[in-house]
Amino acid sequence: EAQVTQNPRYLITVTGKKLTVTCSQNMNHEYMSWYRQDPGLGLRQIYYSMNVEVTDKGDVPEGYKVSRKEKRNFPLILESPSPNQTSLYFCASSLARGAYEQYFGPGTRLTVT
Amino acid sequence: GIQVEQSPPDLILQEGANSTLRCNFSDSVNNLQWFHQNPWGQLINLFYIPSGTKQNGRLSATTVATERYSLLYISSSQTTDSGVYFCAVQDTGANSKLTFGKGITLSVRP
Repeated sequence: EAQVTQNPRYLITVTGKKLTVTCSQNMNHEYMSWYRQDPGLGLRQIYYSMNVEVTDKGDVPEGYKVSRKEKRNFPLILESPSPNQTSLYFCASSLARGAYEQYFGPGTRLTVT
Repeated sequence: GIQVEQSPPDLILQEGANSTLRCNFSDSVNNLQWFHQNPWGQLINLFYIPSGTKQNGRLSATTVATERYSLLYISSSQTTDSGVYFCAVQDTGANSKLTFGKGITLSVRP
């Protein structure tokens, strides 16, 4: 089944404890991205990647890192999480940059205390 | 950047009723998608519809790109249709970022 998977789905952590949210797609997509969803602010893009080893900042990249060493994986790294990073995170992928349908993962609900 | 407005913000229906959800956008777009966010927070792809009309069961969508709007039709609504409906557009710039509207909260009552 074609899908985007994220792990973990739920995470409660403490300020400053490094964490990684994994994202994987099995559709051989080139383009992948991360969004966060917050009440009143909607969905905003954090980082995106057009292909392996090609990543760039989205609208709200502060406090996050990403890497794209393999085509299928695009992990989101929070080196020192803070409470303002409490959010619902989505990974998305599409065939390539451009006018292609984007597919979203199931979401990761992160709480930083 | 591109602006996306959805209306109405909230909608309450009796089961079996029909509804139309609207999405207006401020500039030319490469891509337009409709999503349903279910009560568990998952974003479900409904339609990829940069132009034209598509149907999938009780749902259909129409995008008139030249007039910068899209409509999502829900017929014979069911309680499982409840949730938030998002329209998202991708502008013609280099980043394939989707810009989302604020969503339409639909409640279908039995």
